[in-house]
Amino acid sequence: GQNIDQPTEMTATEGAIVQINCTYQTSGFNGLFWYQQHAGEAPTFLSYNVLDGLEEKGRFSSFLSRSKGYSYLLLKELQMKDSASYLCAVRLDYKLSFGAGTTVTVRA
Amino acid sequence: EAGVVQSPRYKIIEKKQPVAFWCNPISGHNTLYWYRQNLGQGPELLIRYENEEAVDDSQLPKDRFSAERLKGVDSTLKIQPAELGDSAVYLCASSFRLSAGGMETQYFGPGTRLLVL
Repeated sequence: GQNIDQPTEMTATEGAIVQINCTYQTSGFNGLFWYQQHAGEAPTFLSYNVLDGLEEKGRFSSFLSRSKGYSYLLLKELQMKDSASYLCAVRLDYKLSFGAGTTVTVRA
Repeated sequence: EAGVVQSPRYKIIEKKQPVAFWCNPISGHNTLYWYRQNLGQGPELLIRYENEEAVDDSQLPKDRFSAERLKGVDSTLKIQPAELGDSAVYLCASSFRLSAGGMETQYFGPGTRLLVL
């Protein structure tokens, strides 16, 4: 089976930075995705890492270390609308195996 | 560009009743996925289609679940009969798969929230 771990909840203040960690132990690896999911809505694509290093996209950045089985999603200049669940997913060929998600609450 | 469309958005049924969900993927996407998401969990794959062929249905409980993708576009997922444990959100996703191993982003629909009483 696939094991993908991320914290259940995180709370941060508007304007701050939050880092969501994801560790994985899987039978293979073809890349790692981060999705954002607001309550009652569809998961939406945020980022994709297949090589080690940092991918920056506006206020969001994602990092991958394949040797450590580790990734993080960095959210900068937090806004209230960033309150959502953030899902880490490991790709094995076409298949995505998801973590349980991290619920981020942004407080004023 | 229109996203993945699913209907209905919500469904409440009594156990042992049948239920069906419909999905219209993004135009041009050849691969379609059905996932189930339980409360507080990530989505779990039920079935994957490439065009009209179900290429992975290993996670689909075939005693009560069935799916089809006629003409390789829209898809329906059916449960008959439904059980209490089937209460979940059923998500449809689509992608364009050019070749094995290539970058392929799955785009999700809003899901159907099923409650079995």
